[in-house]
Amino acid sequence: GNSVTQMEGPVTLSEEAFLTINCTYTATGYPSLFWYVQYPGEGLQLLLKATKADDKGSNKGFEATYRKETTSFHLEKGSVQVSDSAVYFCALSGSGGSNYKLTFGKGTLLTVNP
Amino acid sequence: DAGVIQSPRHEVTEMGQEVTLRCKPISGHNSLFWYRQTMMRGLELLIYFNNNVPIDDSGMPEDRFSAKMPNASFSTLKIQPSEPRDSAVYFCASSFGGASYNEQFFGPGTRLTVL
Repeated sequence: GNSVTQMEGPVTLSEEAFLTINCTYTATGYPSLFWYVQYPGEGLQLLLKATKADDKGSNKGFEATYRKETTSFHLEKGSVQVSDSAVYFCALSGSGGSNYKLTFGKGTLLTVNP
Repeated sequence: DAGVIQSPRHEVTEMGQEVTLRCKPISGHNSLFWYRQTMMRGLELLIYFNNNVPIDDSGMPEDRFSAKMPNASFSTLKIQPSEPRDSAVYFCASSFGGASYNEQFFGPGTRLTVL
């Protein structure tokens, strides 16, 4: 079945540092890949997505590239801010008749200090 | 425009009691999802409705859990009887169109504690 493996946190960075959160996946078919973000006390929000190999998703300075050869979708940001402190979830979609189904990684807690 | 609304935000109950969680999806969305989030198991899909019809309830843990969607603007998740292992955060999400490439919008969640 489908699965997502994220780097374990927590990750603690200083403001303006470079961020990478690793995500690899196992899937059948051709899934879409997502990063969701959860701020304290809130539900998850879609951060970015990529629907096919070599696509790059980007939003709010975050980027991730769909790498089929390495089955990866690593999240990067060049300069983090305190307001980026949150839990980040990598996810992939089901395929075919289960294309509504999202499989999530365990989440990575990011703390950015001023 | 209001997002997905869930109530209550927090619920503390004793083992054996009935618990009902409520969700109002975003107006116009025709797909609704219930998720459970725990430290041990992460985020799990419990049930998926499309046009008010349950399509996939394979994630519902056991018969103690039931979900309904009587109309397009309201859904409930009921646990009867509740057990301490049901303690978790329960999220409702909605989208327009069921495919996962259609963005799912999550509510703020209900934090359930069963003593």
